[in-house]
Amino acid sequence: TQLLEQSPQFLSIQEGENLTVYCNSSSVFSSLQWYRQEPGEGPVLLVTVVTGGEVKKLKRLTFQFGDARKDSSLHITAAQPGDTGLYLCAGRTGGGNKLTFGTGTQLKVEL
Amino acid sequence: NAGVTQTPKFRILKIGQSMTLQCAQDMNHNYMYWYRQDPGMGLKLIYYSVGAGITDKGEVPNGYNVSRSTTEDFPLRLELAAPSQTSVYFCASKGQGGDLAKNIQYFGAGTRLSVL
Repeated sequence: TQLLEQSPQFLSIQEGENLTVYCNSSSVFSSLQWYRQEPGEGPVLLVTVVTGGEVKKLKRLTFQFGDARKDSSLHITAAQPGDTGLYLCAGRTGGGNKLTFGTGTQLKVEL
Repeated sequence: NAGVTQTPKFRILKIGQSMTLQCAQDMNHNYMYWYRQDPGMGLKLIYYSVGAGITDKGEVPNGYNVSRSTTEDFPLRLELAAPSQTSVYFCASKGQGGDLAKNIQYFGAGTRLSVL
């Protein structure tokens, strides 16, 4: 069973602070996705990274895929209350059509 | 513009009761998935389907059954509900193909189930 461990599990910060969420595994993934989930809703895809070392930016969010494609990070600059939610990483192996989801990071951004 | 629709949104079951969670998608996606999510945690795959008539077990299939008679529908059946099945259940679908644009899972809003 492939495991994706996310850290931290919980994060409560003030508006304007920066933060980084980590997603780590001992397995190699062909691609890795980050989702955000708000209360009462399903996860929504933020980004997909495919190449080792790849960096993608989505406004104030920066996503990086590790060189060995075993880990990833999500960095948020100047967090806002609208960033509050559960962040999930999910890895895809080979050509498979299944995703392995991470353990989740619950982020709360307060005014 | 419905996407993935799940019903019901909430349900309370007594131990030993049975129920079916409904999932329908209108995007003509081949792949459909059922996940469960415990509070503040990630998603665990219960069952998935790569097309009508084809289903396969995921990580946590015990206590559940599925069927896929049409492309649109992928119901999840709980035969003898147990407290351990208290969770939020999400259905998702995905188009076919290996390119990034098609490797996106679209999720329903979930069914919150309590077994008491």
